[in-house]
Amino acid sequence: DTGVSQNPRHKITKRGQNVTFRCDPISEHNRLYWYRQTLGQGPEFLTYFQNEAQLEKSRLLSDRFSAERPKGSFSTLEIQRTEQGDSAMYLCASSLGTGAGYEQYFGPGTRLTVT
Amino acid sequence: GENVEQHPSTLSVQEGDSAVIKCTYSDSASNYFPWYKQELGKRPQLIIDIRSNVGEKKDQRIAVTLNKTAKHFSLHITETQPEDSAVYFCAAVRGFSGGYNKLIFGAGTRLAVHP
Repeated sequence: DTGVSQNPRHKITKRGQNVTFRCDPISEHNRLYWYRQTLGQGPEFLTYFQNEAQLEKSRLLSDRFSAERPKGSFSTLEIQRTEQGDSAMYLCASSLGTGAGYEQYFGPGTRLTVT
Repeated sequence: GENVEQHPSTLSVQEGDSAVIKCTYSDSASNYFPWYKQELGKRPQLIIDIRSNVGEKKDQRIAVTLNKTAKHFSLHITETQPEDSAVYFCAAVRGFSGGYNKLIFGAGTRLAVHP
């Protein structure tokens, strides 16, 4: 499968625990994005990488959230001290780094449930 | 701030009828407008997009129109089929020559096509 992949697909955790999600973008894509989608809503932008540089973080991304893309390939999103309000689908997307490379391709998402 | 409004939130049509979904955006600098289809439990998939230098784009049964002056764009699906049933999201993005492109999504339209 040459598309965007995410692991795990589902995560159930207790409030206060830390969780980490992984995203593997399409191999030639140098831009990587994280979005959060709650039930009945469109995806909301969280953060964006160009290669290994994190260029923007949404105000939705509190201090408990951290994202990395250490070698400009896969990325991880960590949530510390999870809260019930963190329950959502976390989507990763990637795109080409050219002037015409607007198209973003999404992964299947990681569904987080905080109990 | 940046905002995209999408209407209607739900749409029910008979197979073979046309469906129209409308979106308005607030950022006048937005220059790329993709539409995504999301089936239950699956990733959002790009179905059509339009750039601001084009007023209309068509791909088989789907078409998108853009009115930059009014800051609104629409998705048109003709000859609807049951497999068109899904949630459709519009999005807007301000892209630069470097391709920086944070997507701002609408809240989605749940389309149901009845046989």
